Amino acid sequence: DGGITQSPKYLFRKEGQNVTLSCEQNLNHDAMYWYRQDPGQGLRLIYYSQIVNDFQKGDIAEGYSVSREKKESFPLTVTSAQKNPTAFYLCASRPQLGVSVQPQHFGDGTRLSIL
Amino acid sequence: DAKTTQPPSMDCAEGRAANLPCNHSTISGNEYVYWYRQIHSQGPQYIIHGLKNNETNEMASLIITEDRKSSTLILPHATLRDTAVYYCIVRVVETSGSRLTFGEGTQLTVNP
Repeated sequence: DGGITQSPKYLFRKEGQNVTLSCEQNLNHDAMYWYRQDPGQGLRLIYYSQIVNDFQKGDIAEGYSVSREKKESFPLTVTSAQKNPTAFYLCASRPQLGVSVQPQHFGDGTRLSIL
Repeated sequence: DAKTTQPPSMDCAEGRAANLPCNHSTISGNEYVYWYRQIHSQGPQYIIHGLKNNETNEMASLIITEDRKSSTLILPHATLRDTAVYYCIVRVVETSGSRLTFGEGTQLTVNP
């Protein structure tokens, strides 16, 4: 089935460690996004990418890094510089057809916790 | 960016219509209204979107006022599985791409 796969579903990190969250899509979508969600709150944009080898910072990019080496993959690294990384992380994608109204589609998320 | 305002919570009886309001009084002429929902611990699910005409699909109907300053999402026959947080979003278009700005949404609880 076509969709967005995030792995792992749950992830634990020790303080001071970097950790990478995986996001893969087989929808042939050009644009991909990473959001962070804290308990009881809406989503906040971390990074997004419109095309391979290009990405832009969102509203809360500090302490995070991304890469887009392949169209179907957009991994997110939570670095030790992110002081409050415990959150629910969501990856999304969407067809990029110029100025498009196509909706974003989301994966089921990765819940990151600090040990 | 056009900001949206939604009530924090609503209740609905199973089998009845659920009407979820959203205010977006600063919306500009080329911005669309999108609705998503999120069931606990899952990713958001796209429901419907519109510009100025009313829209209907297999999940819901979207009614946008003539001045476009508010809209209502209608679930015609709510079921227990419709219990979720519903987000009303106005799409921001940037020169290098597009993004969705999520607020805190409305927690809809469908009661038996």
